Amino acid sequence: AQTVTQSQPEMSVQEAETVTLSCTYDTSESNYYLFWYKQPPSRQMILVIRQEAYKQQNATENRFSVNFQKAAKSFSLKISDSQLGDTAMYFCAFIVSGTYKYIFGTGTRLKVLA
Amino acid sequence: EAQVTQNPRYLITVTGKKLTVTCSQNMNHEYMSWYRQDPGLGLRQIYYSMNVEVTDKGDVPEGYKVSRKEKRNFPLILESPSPNQTSLYFCASRRSTGVGGNQPQHFGDGTRLSIL
Repeated sequence: AQTVTQSQPEMSVQEAETVTLSCTYDTSESNYYLFWYKQPPSRQMILVIRQEAYKQQNATENRFSVNFQKAAKSFSLKISDSQLGDTAMYFCAFIVSGTYKYIFGTGTRLKVLA
Repeated sequence: EAQVTQNPRYLITVTGKKLTVTCSQNMNHEYMSWYRQDPGLGLRQIYYSMNVEVTDKGDVPEGYKVSRKEKRNFPLILESPSPNQTSLYFCASRRSTGVGGNQPQHFGDGTRLSIL
């Protein structure tokens, strides 16, 4: 069975600093997709970034980038120049290509300090 | 505006009283799904639907029913709610059932359900 592990329940970072959220997963499949979602206090689920496992290049979206290490089954999220609006719960998620079941991690609560 | 609409946003009810949480999307998405979010457990998939009249269980389907009679709607039914179903529920939809995962899910705003 596939699993997603986020080992940091809570983190904090100073405004304008860089922070990295970790995510590891377990699967025997080779084709899959990985996602980071942001859930601010408004509780909306917002897609931050996604990565296709067959792509070696790490995905980036403005201040957000990932470090995808397929062999290590690691998918960390780096937030550069942290802003107060980045304060949220962040979820890592996974789905095997060609299937319909998503697996989410337990989340990391990030607080950006002024 | 493209959106997934859930109703109600909040509901407090009592054990055993049947309830339905509605979910509707206006993006003509084939795939729809229900999740529950609990502290320390993240989001867990309850049921999903690949298209009209096609549904399947997620990881935590016990105590829930779904139906997909129309493409835009995917209601979640709790026929005899119990306190352990108190949770935050999300509906989501996604374009294309072909290749899993390459299209992002769009989430509703969530339904906070409290069962006393």
